[in-house]
Amino acid sequence: DAKTTQPTSMDCAEGRAANLPCNHSTISGNEYVYWYRQIHSQGPQYIIHGLKNNETNEMASLIITEDRKSSTLILPHATLRDTAVYYCIVRANTDKLIFGTGTRLQVFP
Amino acid sequence: KAGVTQTPRYLIKTRGQQVTLSCSPISGHRSVSWYQQTPGQGLQFLFEYFSETQRNKGNFPGRFSGRQFSNSRSEMNVSTLELGDSALYLCASSLQRISMNTEAFFGQGTRLTVV
Repeated sequence: DAKTTQPTSMDCAEGRAANLPCNHSTISGNEYVYWYRQIHSQGPQYIIHGLKNNETNEMASLIITEDRKSSTLILPHATLRDTAVYYCIVRANTDKLIFGTGTRLQVFP
Repeated sequence: KAGVTQTPRYLIKTRGQQVTLSCSPISGHRSVSWYQQTPGQGLQFLFEYFSETQRNKGNFPGRFSGRQFSNSRSEMNVSTLELGDSALYLCASSLQRISMNTEAFFGQGTRLTVV
């Protein structure tokens, strides 16, 4: 079972920041938080991952709370091409990437 | 650098038949994982191969099997196909095992339709 909870859907205006929350209250000390997204009919695309420090790359920023029980993926300037399902994953000790139901982000003009 | 390549992209099979899907990982990647995606169940883990050995397995019946070759290419096989096996089958490759601090890269998938 997925160890994360995400809102089912969110909307964001083009050009604005999209903030996608994720709860992972049972995360263990050595488990990473990964974010992937899946654009319709394509394979999931890696976005970013982190352990406890905030992370930033060319696609997004990942903010992890100090207690590590939740995180937020930030797309700083959302575009229409960012419309996708976003998955927050806590990698289980059994080494599998377990996907939950994700958040369907709709970016509108 | 070429990405993960899955073949074929689309496949139609009849109930009772068997099917083999292929996945070529990114050059240098040694771990290959397979996932099944359906509207009802979402993305579900099938199995992971690393160094030609199955390292992890999801909760699927024995009709689902796989293997990995010395060049890291992987195949998965589904025997005695059922209508419920209709799905998008995704392959992911990573440099090392996905248990380590490393990301996985997915292919475009093979869409299997069982009629």
